[in-house]
Amino acid sequence: QKEVEQDPGPLSVPEGAIVSLNCTYSNSAFQYFMWYRQYSRKGPELLMYTYSSGNKEDGRFTAQVDKSSKYISLFIRDSQPSDSATYLCAMSANDYKLSFGAGTTVTVRA
Amino acid sequence: SAVISQKPSRDICQRGTSLTIQCQVDSQVTMMFWYRQQPGQSLTLIATANQGSEATYESGFVIDKFPISRPNLTFSTLTVSNMSPEDSSIYLCSVVGGMVGETQYFGPGTRLLVL
Repeated sequence: QKEVEQDPGPLSVPEGAIVSLNCTYSNSAFQYFMWYRQYSRKGPELLMYTYSSGNKEDGRFTAQVDKSSKYISLFIRDSQPSDSATYLCAMSANDYKLSFGAGTTVTVRA
Repeated sequence: SAVISQKPSRDICQRGTSLTIQCQVDSQVTMMFWYRQQPGQSLTLIATANQGSEATYESGFVIDKFPISRPNLTFSTLTVSNMSPEDSSIYLCSVVGGMVGETQYFGPGTRLLVL
């Protein structure tokens, strides 16, 4: 069993829809949770970072963490074609080392 | 956030040769890491580049294959030695600025194709 499970998709939605992404994990030592966006042929770009259970909002992006269920989510509201990318969840314990999910490829259709 | 550059951005190499990838950061950082992203896969941590001491390798990665240097707080190199086609990947460096849990930023990556 992988430490971090993420459905690779692909996920295709119409412009303006809500995109819902999620990851589950097995390591209860994970305390820090991140979402990265990766465009084709680019390095991962940090989108959201959180270290506690609950919701964190930043513009059109909302990250949710449920440590009791070992489940994290990312929601993108009012999705735009420019949101088309691969979204990677990542998490770490107290050692900075990141464990990544497989990444979900998202296409937002104009 | 830190600005990270990598050289080369891409390369095509012959099997049996070695390639050294450079990672330069525009400010001093506490931690530097090297990751590999194989085609269609997610990122896998290769090692932690320790300033002034030997790198710390993850399971499945060894120093003879991936020697790493970190001479100061803004620069690191990763060498991919005795390459085979299975080493074709994107290699990325990442940095952490300070305290535990501080956000981690990635360089643009080096695309390596081994023939």
